[in-house]
Amino acid sequence: EPEVTQTPSHQVTQMGQEVILRCVPISNHLYFYWYRQILGQKVEFLVSFYNNEISEKSEIFDDQFSVERPDGSNFTLKIRSTKLEDSAMYFCASKGDRGDNEQFFGPGTRLTVL
Amino acid sequence: DQQVKQNSPSLSVQEGRISILNCDYTNSMFDYFLWYKKYPAEGPTFLISISSIKDKNEDGRFTVFLNKSAKHLSLHIVPSQPGDSAVYFCAATSNFGNEKLTFGTGTRLTIIP
Repeated sequence: EPEVTQTPSHQVTQMGQEVILRCVPISNHLYFYWYRQILGQKVEFLVSFYNNEISEKSEIFDDQFSVERPDGSNFTLKIRSTKLEDSAMYFCASKGDRGDNEQFFGPGTRLTVL
Repeated sequence: DQQVKQNSPSLSVQEGRISILNCDYTNSMFDYFLWYKKYPAEGPTFLISISSIKDKNEDGRFTVFLNKSAKHLSLHIVPSQPGDSAVYFCAATSNFGNEKLTFGTGTRLTIIP
C-alpha cells in the first residue's frame, strides 16, 4: 500500500541552525501539507502546497519557513534559523485530488532544537 | 481559538464494550469531518470520515455520527479491542475554501483486557 515517507525520523540541531525536513508523498497525489505537533498539544497546520506554489499558510509559517518541491517526488520543509520553540514533531501529508478530503500522513520527524 | 474540541483527554473502556469518543466544533464553514488514530512515534492514520450531508457513516466496527445542529460528532467503536488503544483525533475541513485540516486536542483511548 502506498505511503508517505519522511526523513530523518529524528533531527537534533543547535538554535540558529538551518534544518531541512524531507518528505516523499504518495506518488500520484497532487496536494501536499506540513503540520506540526508540539509535545502535549494538538496537531497544527503549517502550510499547503499545490501546483508548485503555496496555497495557504498559517501564522506559524513565518519568513523562517519555506517549502519546496525540488523534483517530482520530494517535498521539503526548511527552517532557516531554528528557535527553541520549533522543537516539535513535523508531519507531512498528501492527498490525491481536490475532491478528496482524506489526507495521508507520514510517520513524522521529531525536531529537537538545543 | 479552539474551533475543534475534544473535551475528554482520556477514556478507558473494557474490551468488548463500546467506546464513544466525542468532538465538538464551532466553525459553521466546516462540512467534512475525519477521525484519525495515532500511535506513539507514528503519524496520524486515517480511520473514517463523514460529509455534512450525512448524519452517519459506518465502516466495520467504526461508526461516526454527525449532529449538525449541535455541531457535534462522535466515533463509536464496537466491540472495542486492545489494538484500539491509541490517541484519537477529530479533524474538520471545508470543501469550499482551503483544505487544511483543523484538529482537536485528541482523546487517549485505553482498552482494558
